[in-house]
Amino acid sequence: DQQVKQNSPSLSVQEGRISILNCDYTNSMFDYFLWYKKYPAEGPTFLISISSIKDKNEDGRFTVFLNKSAKHLSLHIVPSQPGDSAVYFCAASVDQAGTALIFGKGTTLSVSS
Amino acid sequence: EAQVTQNPRYLITVTGKKLTVTCSQNMNHEYMSWYRQDPGLGLRQIYYSMNVEVTDKGDVPEGYKVSRKEKRNFPLILESPSPNQTSLYFCASSLLPGLAVYNEQFFGPGTRLTVL
Repeated sequence: DQQVKQNSPSLSVQEGRISILNCDYTNSMFDYFLWYKKYPAEGPTFLISISSIKDKNEDGRFTVFLNKSAKHLSLHIVPSQPGDSAVYFCAASVDQAGTALIFGKGTTLSVSS
Repeated sequence: EAQVTQNPRYLITVTGKKLTVTCSQNMNHEYMSWYRQDPGLGLRQIYYSMNVEVTDKGDVPEGYKVSRKEKRNFPLILESPSPNQTSLYFCASSLLPGLAVYNEQFFGPGTRLTVL
C-alpha cells in the first residue's frame, strides 16, 4: 500500500507560469513532509519542508501548502524557470527523528522557454 | 567540499557474488541512510543509522546488510545479490536524525547496480 502518492508522473509548464506539484498521503501519523528535487545522474537535493503544525512554508519561489484534513500537500513554483526541470519527490515521516522517510514515486517537471 | 561520496558509481555483477557499495561523508553527520530508486516506485529506504554502531531497517531491508563502525562510513553489503536488486542506490546523511529545514538529508550521486 503506497503511503505517499504522487499521481501525476509528469507536468509540463511554460517558463514564467506557475508549477503546481501535488502529493497525497494516507498515513495520518505523518508529521513532517519534504520535497526533494532530482536532476539526471545526480542524487536528490532537499528543496523545502513543512511540519504538520503549519499549513504553509515559503522559500523564495517555492511554497509548500499542507492540508491535513485532506491529507494533501502541494509544491508551488512561481515563476517557473527552465532550470526547474527535474524530478520532484514528495516525502513524509512520522516524526522529526526521520527514522523512516517514505517517498512518493516522483513527478517529472518540464519547463519550456 | 562538503559531500557524500559513493563507490563504485556503476557496477555490473552476477547473481550470488558478494559486493559492497561504500558511502562516505565528510560533514561529521550522525545520521546516514541508504535508498534504492526503481522506475515507478520512487525512492525506498533500505537501512538507516542514527549513529555509530546503531543501525535499523527501513522499508526494504531484505537482501541487504549495513555496518556503521565509523561515523563517516556506511557501507551497503549485498551478500548474495539477485537480479531484483538491480537498481539505482543512493546514500544520504544528515547532521542529526531530524527533519527540520536546517537539517535536511544530503544525498550522494548514486550507484547504478546491475545484477545479471
